Amino acid sequence: GAGVSQSPSNKVTEKGKDVELRCDPISGHTALYWYRQSLGQGLEFLIYFQGNSAPDKSGLPSDRFSAERTGGSVSTLTIQRTQQEDSAVYLCASSLGQGSYEQYFGPGTRLTVT
Amino acid sequence: GQNIDQPTEMTATEGAIVQINCTYQTSGFNGLFWYQQHAGEAPTFLSYNVLDGLEEKGRFSSFLSRSKGYSYLLLKELQMKDSASYLCAVPPEYGGATNKLIFGTGTLLAVQP
Repeated sequence: GAGVSQSPSNKVTEKGKDVELRCDPISGHTALYWYRQSLGQGLEFLIYFQGNSAPDKSGLPSDRFSAERTGGSVSTLTIQRTQQEDSAVYLCASSLGQGSYEQYFGPGTRLTVT
Repeated sequence: GQNIDQPTEMTATEGAIVQINCTYQTSGFNGLFWYQQHAGEAPTFLSYNVLDGLEEKGRFSSFLSRSKGYSYLLLKELQMKDSASYLCAVPPEYGGATNKLIFGTGTLLAVQP
C-alpha cells in the first residue's frame, strides 16, 4: 500500500519568500505530525493533528510557521517570510491515532533558503 | 523537561555485535522508541519498549531499564546495510494528549568490512 508522501522533495527559495509543503498521510491514519531535521541534528517536533481535535502547535518555532489539515487527510505546512535558519528537511509522519504510537514517516522535503 | 543522550558516532565491523546506548530524562514515562534512518531517507520504526527487559526481534534487540532511565539497541551479525543513524525517542509526558516524540540527535553507525 501507499506510504506517506510529501511534495516537493526539494525546494530552493529566496529569503523572504513564502513556501508551502504538502503531506499526504497513509489512508486511515487519523494522526499527522510535522517534524524538521537540521543538518546533524535530531528530529524537532513542530505540530500534531489528531482527528477533529485542536492541533498541538507547541513545537512551531515562530508565528511565521503555520499548518492546516483539510478533511482530516492532507496537510500543508506554510512558512512565511523564510529565513536561512529555516533550511532543513521537513518530515511528515502519520499514525493510526492515540494509543497507536508507531509513526510512519514520509521521505521529507529538503528546504534550502538562499 | 526532557533530555535524551546518545553517542554521536560509532564504528563497528561487519559480522560483529554493536550496542548503541540511550539515556533519557522525562517528566513521566510512556515508552521508548528506536528508529533507523539511512542517509537521505525517512526514519523507519525498529522497536518500542514500555516494560523493563530485553525484546528481541531478529538481529536487533532493544533493552529498557526504567529505573535507570536507560535503553540500548543491540545489533548482531552486522551487515554493511546496517550503516545508518539510530534515533532514540520518547513521548514527552505520561498520558499526554498527543503522540509527539522527542528525539535524540541520533547515533551514526558506520559498519566497516
